[in-house]
Amino acid sequence: QKEVEQNSGPLSVPEGAIASLNCTYSDRGSQSFFWYRQYSGKSPELIMFIYSNGDKEDGRFTAQLNKASQYVSLLIRDSQPSDSATYLCAVGEDSSYKLIFGSGTRLLVRP
Amino acid sequence: EPEVTQTPSHQVTQMGQEVILRCVPISNHLYFYWYRQILGQKVEFLVSFYNNEISEKSEIFDDQFSVERPDGSNFTLKIRSTKLEDSAMYFCATGQTGEETQYFGPGTRLLVL
Repeated sequence: QKEVEQNSGPLSVPEGAIASLNCTYSDRGSQSFFWYRQYSGKSPELIMFIYSNGDKEDGRFTAQLNKASQYVSLLIRDSQPSDSATYLCAVGEDSSYKLIFGSGTRLLVRP
Repeated sequence: EPEVTQTPSHQVTQMGQEVILRCVPISNHLYFYWYRQILGQKVEFLVSFYNNEISEKSEIFDDQFSVERPDGSNFTLKIRSTKLEDSAMYFCATGQTGEETQYFGPGTRLLVL
């Protein structure tokens, strides 16, 4: 059974701080990695995707991928109260296009 | 910006009834997916659809479920005889290619009584 693991949180950070969200995956053949944000009762909203080892930056967000360690992370700089949500890590399987989701990490940004 | 749309937003049905959930994909997208999320649980893959046929389906997607693209624009999920455990949020997602990002619709909240 292919798994994506996330700490459920909540992760609480003060406004303006860096929030660090982590995810591990079991399928070494996975090729694509996604971070989605989900507000309560809403659908997943794409934040970032990353395919290659290393860092990828987009505005306040940085995704980091380490395929050797089967680890992907999301850094949110200058966290805002509006960033408070559940962050879902999703991994694309090597042999299909379906996404396998983690259970999500709840982030709380304190004003 | 183009969006995936879904109807209805909410559906309440009696156990054993049939429901049809509808999705309008982003216009140039070719890959379509249904996921569901039971309250408090993970988002789970149900089925993927490409070139008018099912590409892959999960164990959840049994004979009670079916998908089709009846008119070239809508993408539907039918549950023939709903069970209490079918109560969940159902999300349609679409992608331009199989390898790339999937964009999610707002979801349909299904409640089976």
